Amino acid sequence: DAKTTQPTSMDCAEGRAANLPCNHSTISGNEYVYWYRQIHSQGPQYIIHGLKNNETNEMASLIITEDRKSSTLILPHATLRDTAVYYCIVRVEETSGSRLTFGEGTQLTVNP
Amino acid sequence: NAGVTQTPKFRILKIGQSMTLQCTQDMNHNYMYWYRQDPGMGLKLIYYSVGAGITDKGEVPNGYNVSRSTTEDFPLRLELAAPSQTSVYFCASNPLWSNEQYFGPGTRLTVT
Repeated sequence: DAKTTQPTSMDCAEGRAANLPCNHSTISGNEYVYWYRQIHSQGPQYIIHGLKNNETNEMASLIITEDRKSSTLILPHATLRDTAVYYCIVRVEETSGSRLTFGEGTQLTVNP
Repeated sequence: NAGVTQTPKFRILKIGQSMTLQCTQDMNHNYMYWYRQDPGMGLKLIYYSVGAGITDKGEVPNGYNVSRSTTEDFPLRLELAAPSQTSVYFCASNPLWSNEQYFGPGTRLTVT
């Protein structure tokens, strides 16, 4: 699986957009980009994933660059409850097993 | 659906004791996983299973055993607890066609 690089921490003001970057310069053509988050002391929660097109759901948007070497998770209107560690994971979507490798992620702190 | 449930929530063990961490999912998911998370670190995969009767080692399997006799249950066994096994343990599952993993609330284990 491709290795990912994320900033250790970021801050964001409540109500503003939070843009979390992820670098995955060694990504292969069949690898997907996944984002999970972990609110303190809870189990991780799936947010969104994509292959090469931008994706949006009720939680967030995922922007993947044309060369697929990096991506950005966007929380359009961050709230205090979005304070969490955000993990960017690159993984082949396959049916023979779907182990995810969690790095150390980005600690996002949303400030009032 | 209850999703992924784990018991107990907290446990303190003495060195050399044994215990079983329970994990149950009611979503009929094929894949199940056990992760551990040390303070300030990302999750590390201990064992995983792609279906009843099939288990395989993850990144950090030493000191642990698992079994998968049913689709729903995936218990994790610690035979001789050591202080290095002090951690938070998360169980997760996902269906055959997706990498979207659903996590349980975790078991916080302390070995003294």
